[in-house]
Amino acid sequence: SQTIHQWPATLVQPVGSPLSLECTVEGTSNPNLYWYRQAAGRGLQLLFYSVGIGQISSEVPQNLSASRPQDRQFILSSKKLLLSDSGFYLCASSTIGVSPLHFGNGTRLTVT
Amino acid sequence: QQPVQSPQAVILREGEDAVINCSSSKALYSVHWYRQKHGEAPVFLMILLKGGEQKGHEKISASFNEKKQQSSLYLTASQLSYSGTYFCGTEGLGRDDKIIFGKGTRLHILP
Repeated sequence: SQTIHQWPATLVQPVGSPLSLECTVEGTSNPNLYWYRQAAGRGLQLLFYSVGIGQISSEVPQNLSASRPQDRQFILSSKKLLLSDSGFYLCASSTIGVSPLHFGNGTRLTVT
Repeated sequence: QQPVQSPQAVILREGEDAVINCSSSKALYSVHWYRQKHGEAPVFLMILLKGGEQKGHEKISASFNEKKQQSSLYLTASQLSYSGTYFCGTEGLGRDDKIIFGKGTRLHILP
């Protein structure tokens, strides 16, 4: 079964600082990878989606970007964080076809 | 297009039943259901596929009416452990369609 490793678990960053969140997947090859964001008490907003190395689909225009340098590695970045970037960031993975999403434990980001 | 979930929140006493609804404005290929405890990642409950079906998982079951583009999650004889936020995620018929989640339904079970 798939295991999603996501770090760090919590992060406090000042406005204007850069961001790098990393996610790695074990137990499957060529997964579909996702970054979701959840604001406090809100739903799951899809940010980025990837079906393969270097293939990134952006769902919401913002100051965040994503990269997939390896098959099972997905990175979320920002050059300058905004207060509105605060939230709970979740990396998820699924296999080709109809399959459940497996989520990492998430990163709680607070921008101060 | 984000699916619409109802109700937004519900409070039950242990042993009572609940129904959570999810509807979409576009044709669906699949509907996913997840439960999230506070501060934790969502946990997969079940997937329902186009073709109209029902699935069960312990005392939690779901139905999918593809003609109405609706799914319902049924929680029978609720337990304290059922508390959390329930999300439906929908996937369209397009090859590039991704799983889009509704805003969630908060369920609180009282002893």
